[in-house]
Amino acid sequence: QSALTQPPSVSGSPGQSVTISCTGTSSDVGSDNRVSWYQQPPGTAPRLMIYEVTNRPSGVPDRFSGSKSGNTASLTISGLQAEDEADYYCSSYTSSSTYVFGTGTTVTVL
Amino acid sequence: QVHLQESGPGLVKPSETVSLTCAVSGASVTNNLHWWTWVRQAPGKGLEWIGERYHTGLSHYNPSLMGRATISVDKSKNQISLTLRSVTAADTAVYYCARVEGPTSDFDYWGQGTLVTVSS
Repeated sequence: QSALTQPPSVSGSPGQSVTISCTGTSSDVGSDNRVSWYQQPPGTAPRLMIYEVTNRPSGVPDRFSGSKSGNTASLTISGLQAEDEADYYCSSYTSSSTYVFGTGTTVTVL
Repeated sequence: QVHLQESGPGLVKPSETVSLTCAVSGASVTNNLHWWTWVRQAPGKGLEWIGERYHTGLSHYNPSLMGRATISVDKSKNQISLTLRSVTAADTAVYYCARVEGPTSDFDYWGQGTLVTVSS
């Protein structure tokens, strides 16, 4: 299984919005709504930010939102803040009952 | 609060077998809603899913590992284990255990990770 494709980096000024794409295939992102997103600041463990494409766990700010169209899922951070600087990874359940992660995106707050 | 804590040998020689454990507190490894998984991250690289296990014995693995990984659940100790055989330098990584929320298939709780270095 190949990793889902994400842009290596995105950046924005405080208060702006950034969107990270996550492109897979009809065997993973396109076939299932079990797509999740994880935030990983340097030197720390990943943290769940979005599950089932659009849902936020308790404690995640509502400026984080998710969506999906076809084989591509997206994570949008609205009202970017300095604390949002981190690596972000998407993940999808697959038709083979496995999981696949995205290649990862570094978010930089200018 | 759910807490996961990985532990392991740190340094392993090529071709050997490495065993890691993940102690779980604040949750039961036999809860019917959850699976348990291992994810690794090579230095400077992205996340790679290794596999998952349910307390009844059901399991799934990343085919790229070619059958070298085995995940087990120890109900008496409330912990998860990962055994990785025939390791090479390419297996050098931080290894994370995580809980899988069954119905939604997301990894909602993670350990802090343990570094495994493969070197002679």
